[in-house]
Amino acid sequence: DQQVKQNSPSLSVQEGRISILNCDYTNSMFDYFLWYKKYPAEGPTFLISISSIKDKNEDGRFTVFLNKSAKHLSLHIVPSQPGDSAVYFCAASATGSYQLTFGKGTKLSVIP
Amino acid sequence: NAGVMQNPRHLVRRRGQEARLRCSPMKGHSHVYWYRQLPEEGLKFMVYLQKENIIDESGMPKERFSAEFPKEGPSILRIQQVVRGDSAAYFCASSLAVTDTQYFGPGTRLTVL
Repeated sequence: DQQVKQNSPSLSVQEGRISILNCDYTNSMFDYFLWYKKYPAEGPTFLISISSIKDKNEDGRFTVFLNKSAKHLSLHIVPSQPGDSAVYFCAASATGSYQLTFGKGTKLSVIP
Repeated sequence: NAGVMQNPRHLVRRRGQEARLRCSPMKGHSHVYWYRQLPEEGLKFMVYLQKENIIDESGMPKERFSAEFPKEGPSILRIQQVVRGDSAAYFCASSLAVTDTQYFGPGTRLTVL
């Protein structure tokens, strides 16, 4: 039973445009969410996080939006750059828990 | 600027052999987590350790798998009598405190022939 779902295995975006990566979760205990970026043959790199007390968190070109009622979050990258091409994982955890539950990832390709 | 270190990066074993995967956490981090990623899947939690203690091994198979984090030296994930289904990428992460952001190493890609 997948508790964190990334329904788009891949996404292609033109350089300079906005990339929107989506993530849905089913476990209502989850209240902390993270996005990791992963290049081939490397480990996941922490990108940005959001707590359930917020609905938006911004860091430079990256913004994460959280819709608790819909159990949905999204990562916006604007403007997209070729170096953003990677697999993006959504992860979730519950208060006091160290266990991260990951989605299967979305492969983003930014076309120059 | 040493991040989480893992070695070896690639490991090939024949069925029935033992695999030992090592993880050195970031400097100052005493919390270590192991995750496994099967092909086309997300990372799955295996075990959480602090120095000399296994805190939670609920995600680790009951047989053939063990983990340790000794007082001195790296954390070790040990897989005895490997089978083809153990082929995966094994990632180690560390954090400063138990609920802090986890930072991941580059992973060890285990191939069982």
